[in-house]
Amino acid sequence: DAGVIQSPRHEVTEMGQEVTLRCKPISGHDYLFWYRQTMMRGLELLIYFNNNVPIDDSGMPEDRFSAKMPNASFSTLKIQPSEPRDSAVYFCASSPLSYEQYFGPGTRLTVT
Amino acid sequence: AQTVTQSQPEMSVQEAETVTLSCTYDTSENNYYLFWYKQPPSRQMILVIRQEAYKQQNATENRFSVNFQKAAKSFSLKISDSQLGDTAMYFCAFMRIYNQGGKLIFGQGTELSVKP
Repeated sequence: DAGVIQSPRHEVTEMGQEVTLRCKPISGHDYLFWYRQTMMRGLELLIYFNNNVPIDDSGMPEDRFSAKMPNASFSTLKIQPSEPRDSAVYFCASSPLSYEQYFGPGTRLTVT
Repeated sequence: AQTVTQSQPEMSVQEAETVTLSCTYDTSENNYYLFWYKQPPSRQMILVIRQEAYKQQNATENRFSVNFQKAAKSFSLKISDSQLGDTAMYFCAFMRIYNQGGKLIFGQGTELSVKP
């Protein structure tokens, strides 16, 4: 199994641009999570899905952030417009029913 | 709201020695999971060990074991025979059990350095 796949691994963009982060979960996992890691706030959950349906989006910081899961094998996290304070590492994780979450390698986003 | 506290920002240990990382949490829930994740410089988050709150027996995975004290809301990680590859950030995490999965709440992390 290839594990959770995220792309791109690194993204550098200018303030005001749209950014799209992508995630392919482990096949057969029913849950998909998006986390953000920063020095100031640590690791925090942004949103998670169960069977492609968003369950809890209370961690999404503001309307500039949106996430979709059009099918069981693909999810996106979009930031529009991006701001320097969005610079962080964004992790995608997936999980079967056993509550063990498997993380992808993360996307390091830098907004200048 | 649940919170997780790791009071040791940094620790170091000599290779082959034993080290214990501390974690406390606050919750009013009775059913939950606790986890330790490792994040090496590659930044990959790796699950080290899991403990179900309803189990009294402490979880063990090879050189890694936990000391779970439910009444004290304490969940420490012991690493025996430390190896250079154990150098990493270690995160303690709490998960409340919902009907539809659960979200991880992380502590701030402990940076562990294993010295030769």
